[in-house]
Amino acid sequence: EAAVTQSPRNKVTVTGGNVTLSCRQTNSHNYMYWYRQDTGHGLRLIHYSYGAGNLQIGDVPDGYKATRTTQEDFFLLLELASPSQTSLYFCASKTDANTEVFFGKGTRLTVV
Amino acid sequence: TQTVSQSDAHVTVFEGDSVELRCNYSYGGSIYLSWYIQHHGHGLQFLLKYYSGNPVVQGVNGFEAEFSKSDSSFHLRKASVHWSDSAVYFCAVRGTGNTGKLIFGLGTTLQVQP
Repeated sequence: EAAVTQSPRNKVTVTGGNVTLSCRQTNSHNYMYWYRQDTGHGLRLIHYSYGAGNLQIGDVPDGYKATRTTQEDFFLLLELASPSQTSLYFCASKTDANTEVFFGKGTRLTVV
Repeated sequence: TQTVSQSDAHVTVFEGDSVELRCNYSYGGSIYLSWYIQHHGHGLQFLLKYYSGNPVVQGVNGFEAEFSKSDSSFHLRKASVHWSDSAVYFCAVRGTGNTGKLIFGLGTTLQVQP
């Protein structure tokens, strides 16, 4: 089965801190996504990518950067973390537009 | 602009009951609809999808969904639920173009009581 691995699983940082969330998929999937999940908002797309070096802006990109360094690796960067970015973050991947999405187990980020 | 509406935030049924979780969508192009399940503390897992052909699609663990263009709906159903079906269910529609971007509804929490 397709695997998407996120690290760390839990992270606490201070306001203004620098955080990098990592995601790796070993399925040779083209598409990778970063979502955040918040009560009352469901899942919201932050950034996504079609392949190595490609980046697309999602629906809630403010305060986030992303890099797709290889086909396998997709990083989410918070350079000046704020309490509003406290959330559960999911990475996901898929092969092409009409295939199912595989999700990681999530990273819980707390900004104090 | 694609949108997804799940009208029921919470649904409670008893084990063995049938259940229908509702999803309505708006779309501006070719259709691609899917359902995902999220058990507490876990990531989302794919249940089923529709993008062409038979409007009734079968998924894992006895779930099925029916696409209706006239009603703009893609409701999820199960004939007899088990306590292990307790979870949050998300309906999703693919964005316009070929981005592969999925837009999720807010989710429906299904609680199955013994």
